[in-house]
Amino acid sequence: QKEVEQDPGPLSVPEGAIVSLNCTYSNSAFQYFMWYRQYSRKGPELLMYTYSSGNKEDGRFTAQVDKSSKYISLFIRDSQPSDSATYLCAMSPIIQGAQKLVFGQGTRLTINP
Amino acid sequence: NAGVTQTPKFRVLKTGQSMTLLCAQDMNHEYMYWYRQDPGMGLRLIHYSVGEGTTAKGEVPDGYNVSRLKKQNFLLGLESAAPSQTSVYFCASSFPRASQNIQYFGAGTRLSVL
Repeated sequence: QKEVEQDPGPLSVPEGAIVSLNCTYSNSAFQYFMWYRQYSRKGPELLMYTYSSGNKEDGRFTAQVDKSSKYISLFIRDSQPSDSATYLCAMSPIIQGAQKLVFGQGTRLTINP
Repeated sequence: NAGVTQTPKFRVLKTGQSMTLLCAQDMNHEYMYWYRQDPGMGLRLIHYSVGEGTTAKGEVPDGYNVSRLKKQNFLLGLESAAPSQTSVYFCASSFPRASQNIQYFGAGTRLSVL
């Protein structure tokens, strides 16, 4: 069993829809949770970053962490075609030192105009 | 700002050939990382470095070697390439702030081993 599980999709939704992306994990030591966005043939770029449990909002994006269920989510409101990309969740068990991230498989998302 | 720059962008090797991938960052980051990305596998850590002259193994280090002779550069070497090393390779760097240890990625190197 992988430490981090993410549905690879693909996921296709119409423009304006609310998108929900999810990851589950098994390591209770994870403290930092991240969502990266990766456009085709590009490197991943950090989208959201949260510590421990709770919600964090940034514009149309909301990240949720439920440590009791070992479950994290990324919500995209009013989705746009420019949101079409692969979304990777990533987690880290330490605060300082080399951040050895563990990534999910990535979910490929397409927003249709 | 260039950020993290990887060279080359593409490469095709024959089995048994060797090559070196170069990663350069201009953000004065202490930490640097090499990942490989394969379909259905996400990103997996190959090797990482916490400073000039230091390296450590990640999740999938076999068949690769690394060197960090200068703070801004992190080299990934394949001594004898195998078809299983066909992948997209990403370099990343980060600055060890306690509150936000964010990794910044390069654009990747696509490697095919025939």
